[in-house]
Amino acid sequence: GAVVSQHPSWVICKSGTSVKIECRSLDFQATTMFWYRQFPKQSLMLMATSNEGSKATYEQGVEKDKFLINHASLTLSTLTVTSAHPEDSSFYICSAVNREYTGELFFGEGSRLTVL
Amino acid sequence: AQKITQTQPGMFVQEKEAVTLDCTYDTSDQSYGLFWYKQPSSGEMIFLIYQGSYDEQNATEGRYSLNFQKARKSANLVISASQLGDSAMYFCAMREPYRKLTFGKGTLLTVNP
Repeated sequence: GAVVSQHPSWVICKSGTSVKIECRSLDFQATTMFWYRQFPKQSLMLMATSNEGSKATYEQGVEKDKFLINHASLTLSTLTVTSAHPEDSSFYICSAVNREYTGELFFGEGSRLTVL
Repeated sequence: AQKITQTQPGMFVQEKEAVTLDCTYDTSDQSYGLFWYKQPSSGEMIFLIYQGSYDEQNATEGRYSLNFQKARKSANLVISASQLGDSAMYFCAMREPYRKLTFGKGTLLTVNP
C-alpha cells in the first residue's frame, strides 16, 4: 500500500535553533499534505495544509513565521520549526493524499520534537 | 459545536471479547467520509476502516467493522475477538467535501489478558 515516510522520528534541539522535519510520499504523488501537532493524550490538531507549488494554508492560531512549510515537489513537504522553544516540544505528524483525494489519508510515522 | 464526538475517554475489554467504540458526528453535507484510525504508543496513525456516506453496506476490514447509522449520525467501530495488540488510542474522523479531516478526541482501549 501507499507509504508516507517522515524523518526524523526523534529530534532533540537547543532552544533558539531551527529544526526541519521531512514528509515524503514514497509511491504516489501527493498533491496535498497536512501537518498536525499532537500533545500527549490529546487528539491531532491540524496546523496547516500544504499544496504542491503553492503557499501553505495555516489554521487559525498557528504562526506561519514560526512553522515554515514548503511543498516543493509532489513527494516532499517540509516543516521547519524556527527558533524553537520548549513549548514547541510536541509530536508532529504529516499525512498525504493522492491526486484523486479518495479513501484514507496516509500518515507518516510522526516526529517527536524535544526542545531543551 | 464538535464535529466528531467520542464519549469514551477510556475502555477496557477482555482478550477475545468484542468491543464497540462510539463515535457520533455532525454535518449538514450529504457527502462525507468517516474514518477510524489506531494510534499505538509508538505514535504512528494506522488506518483501520473507511465508510462513505453513500455506502449502503457497513464497512468491514477483518476484525474491524463500522456500525454506520446515518439517521443517528453515528459510526461506531466494532472490534471482534480483541487481542492484546489492540491496546491503543482510537480516533474517529470525518472528512467533508473539500475540507480537512476532523478528528475526535479519541478513546484509549486497553485489552486485558
